[in-house]
Amino acid sequence: GQQLNQSPQSMFIQEGEDVSMNCTSSSIFNTWLWYKQEPGEGPVLLIALYKAGELTSNGRLTAQFGITRKDSFLNISASIPSDVGIYFCAGDNYGQNFVFGPGTRLSVLP
Amino acid sequence: ETGVTQTPRHLVMGMTNKKSLKCEQHLGHNAMYWYKQSAKKPLELMFVYSLEERVENNSVPSRFSPECPNSSHLFLHLHTLQPEDSALYLCASSQEWLNFYNEQFFGPGTRLTVL
Repeated sequence: GQQLNQSPQSMFIQEGEDVSMNCTSSSIFNTWLWYKQEPGEGPVLLIALYKAGELTSNGRLTAQFGITRKDSFLNISASIPSDVGIYFCAGDNYGQNFVFGPGTRLSVLP
Repeated sequence: ETGVTQTPRHLVMGMTNKKSLKCEQHLGHNAMYWYKQSAKKPLELMFVYSLEERVENNSVPSRFSPECPNSSHLFLHLHTLQPEDSALYLCASSQEWLNFYNEQFFGPGTRLTVL
């Protein structure tokens, strides 16, 4: 089946720094979604992208739908301690191939 | 505050026990999902229900038995589980199945430990 790769697998950053992570696939998707999961909780939807090249923001978060439709990027500006968690990308094709990436674990050092 | 609730939040059971996980969504959605999340593995889709009908079963062992009595409730019945079934079980819902706008909303999960 389709698989997604996320990089980096984990990252340690200083509070206030900007963060970039990406998600890639060998197959195209029509929808890209980004979720955040905190310890002991389920994933929470951050941003959904529906069009190749689309750039969407949610507060300090910005995500882009790659023009090849095989990748997506998530940026977090001016990180704060509550940004800590695991960030998952998910690709979807009209509900038929909804697949999650393995996640990027983010740690923010004060 | 999530629109998807799950109970119990934690469950410890022996291999011979029978237990059930419950999920309820308050979002008016028509599709519901069960996922398994194990350490160091991507989320694995187990079952999909659309309008109370099971539409996907991703090669899940028969010791896991789902039930969807109505579009707001989803159960996962467990019996004779194995220790490797220990994981976080997540329920999710979306407006429709097989829809372009397929944003899934997750519950907090049930942390299951099989002894």
